[in-house]
Amino acid sequence: AAGVIQSPRHLIKEKRETATLKCYPIPRHDTVYWYQQGPGQDPQFLISFYEKMQSDKGSIPDRFSAQQFSDYHSELNMSSLELGDSALYFCASSLDRGPPYEQYFGPGTRLTVT
Amino acid sequence: AQKVTQAQTEISVVEKEDVTLDCVYETRDTTYYLFWYKQPPSGELVFLIRRNSFDEQNEISGRYSWNFQKSTSSFNFTITASQVVDSAVYFCALSEATGSQGNLIFGKGTKLSVKP
Repeated sequence: AAGVIQSPRHLIKEKRETATLKCYPIPRHDTVYWYQQGPGQDPQFLISFYEKMQSDKGSIPDRFSAQQFSDYHSELNMSSLELGDSALYFCASSLDRGPPYEQYFGPGTRLTVT
Repeated sequence: AQKVTQAQTEISVVEKEDVTLDCVYETRDTTYYLFWYKQPPSGELVFLIRRNSFDEQNEISGRYSWNFQKSTSSFNFTITASQVVDSAVYFCALSEATGSQGNLIFGKGTKLSVKP
C-alpha cells in the first residue's frame, strides 16, 4: 500500500539558510500534520492542514511557514535556520481530521544545520 | 491541560524477559484516543495500537498486550518474551476529540534495550 512520502530524506544546511521540506500524503488523505523531533526528544506538533486550510498550530517558530497545495501535498518552509532547528521532521497524513485520528507517518526528513 | 507521562526513561532487559512500559495521561476531554508508537534506531515511527476512551478492553497482539485503565488514567504496554528486535524507543501519545483537533501529544518516550 502507498505510504506517506517525504523528501528529501536528509538535508544539510548552514545557519541562516533556508530549507523546504516536502510531504506527499497517502492518496485520498486530506489532512497533513507536521512534527519536529529534536535529538533524544519526543515529536512536537508544529502545524496541520485540512483541505488545504490551516487546521491547527502548535509550537511552530515564526521563521517557519507551511502550506498544503491543491494536490494535497504539503511543504514546510524554514528560513534563517538555526543550529537548534537540527531535528527529524515528520509528516503524517490522515483521512479527514475527525476521529479516530489515525495518522500515518512518513519516514521523516533529517535536517542538520551546521 | 493534556499531558502524557512516561516515567521510565530507559529500560534494559535480557531476551525472553517480559517488560511493561508505563504510560499515564491527563486530559479534560471525555472522548480521546491513546496510541503507542515504536521508533527503532532507523528513526521511523511505527504505529502499534490505537484505543478510544470508550473502549477499556485490553488487547493482545502476539507478544504485545495493552492494559487501558481509565480509573488510573493509564495505558500500559507489555511485551512478553522480549526479543532483541524489540529494542527501540516507545512513545505513548494522546489525541483529544475537541482539544487538539487530531494532533498527537507524545510522552517523552521509553528507550527499551533488549540484550541477547
